[in-house]
Amino acid sequence: AQKVTQAQTEISVVEKEDVTLDCVYETRDTTYYLFWYKQPPSGELVFLIRRNSFDEQNEISGRYSWNFQKSTSSFNFTITASQVVDSAVYFCALSEAGRDDKIIFGKGTRLHILP
Amino acid sequence: DVKVTQSSRYLVKRTGEKVFLECVQDMDHENMFWYRQDPGLGLRLIYFSYDVKMKEKGDIPEGYSVSREKKERFSLILESASTNQTSMYLCASSPTGTSGTGFYFGPGTRLLVL
Repeated sequence: AQKVTQAQTEISVVEKEDVTLDCVYETRDTTYYLFWYKQPPSGELVFLIRRNSFDEQNEISGRYSWNFQKSTSSFNFTITASQVVDSAVYFCALSEAGRDDKIIFGKGTRLHILP
Repeated sequence: DVKVTQSSRYLVKRTGEKVFLECVQDMDHENMFWYRQDPGLGLRLIYFSYDVKMKEKGDIPEGYSVSREKKERFSLILESASTNQTSMYLCASSPTGTSGTGFYFGPGTRLLVL
């Protein structure tokens, strides 16, 4: 069965610190997709990144970076030089290829960036 | 930009009332979804739809029904609201045949049932 685990329920860091959000997934599929979403206090989930299972290259987008390691079934998200605006709940998610209905979300990590 | 809108951001209803939550997307997506989000439980799928007049149960369909009469609109219905349906409700849409594109979410409706 598919499963996404975000072991960190809540994290607090001081502004400008780096912070890594962990995501571990389980799946028997060889083709799958991994996602990160951000949910700010306004409530709307914002799509951040998608990764397919054949692409293990790390990705960097500004202060955000993602580390995908199939060997450990992990897809971790790092925010460098955090800012107060990064405060949000972050969700990691997994879907099988060809299954639009089966996107499995982790329970989220609430990130507090303290000024 | 994909736009998914939900009819209300906040809603207060009484136990036993019939409640309609509306969701509209403007990108001609085939798939639409309703989730509820509760602290400590994450997002749970209530119902989804692959096409007009088509619906499938998700993980927690009890106490809910849905309607999809037009491609762009997907309604969630609480036939007789109960206090345990107090939650944040999120609508999402996605295109078919491009799995992995990602879901696009609406802003959510916070429902309080008294």
